Amino acid sequence: EPEVTQTPSHQVTQMGQEVILRCVPISNHLYFYWYRQILGQKVEFLVSFYNNEISEKSEIFDDQFSVERPDGSNFTLKIRSTKLEDSAMYFCASSTSPDTDTQYFGPGTRLTVL
Amino acid sequence: AQSVTQPDIHITVSEGASLELRCNYSYGATPYLFWYVQSPGQGLQLLLKYFSGDTLVQGIKGFEAEFKRSQSSFNLRKPSVHWSDAAEYFCAVGPISGGYNKLIFGAGTRLAVHP
Repeated sequence: EPEVTQTPSHQVTQMGQEVILRCVPISNHLYFYWYRQILGQKVEFLVSFYNNEISEKSEIFDDQFSVERPDGSNFTLKIRSTKLEDSAMYFCASSTSPDTDTQYFGPGTRLTVL
Repeated sequence: AQSVTQPDIHITVSEGASLELRCNYSYGATPYLFWYVQSPGQGLQLLLKYFSGDTLVQGIKGFEAEFKRSQSSFNLRKPSVHWSDAAEYFCAVGPISGGYNKLIFGAGTRLAVHP
């Protein structure tokens, strides 16, 4: 069964450094999403992406964050200058349509900012 | 504002016992409703979903959920729990206000299973 993959599984970085989290969505999916889950808290929506542009973003998704689909298979989340509070599990998801279709989630990347 | 409430943070059941995990939502219309499960160190796996039609939906791993509009609830049930069901369970609603299927998640219920 096709699945969403994410790399790396765990990333440790120093505060102020840039990180790029990578995702490979399911191949025929057109809608892509990033969510995050701070330890012990809810899974929170960050951003949705379609047709090479952001469809919607949350208040969390400020200027430090950016997303890109650099080629036909990858979908990336960049955090320009990491803060301690960016430490979280970051999940990528994809779907074939935005309304009635299921979002399929990747296994997540655990980001630790020191 | 749209929200999802899972009243039980932690539930412990014995293997073979029945299970019900509660989920209540606040939404202006009938939302799309989902239950996801997260095993330790794993991502979110879809258990089942409700879009329309029959209010009792069947999912994977023997789970089912019932949508009750009058109670704004979508409780997850399983008649006989297995030790491998120990995980965290998340209820979610979407789409939100015409957005691109942005899911709103509850806080989760952590299930422990005693042998």
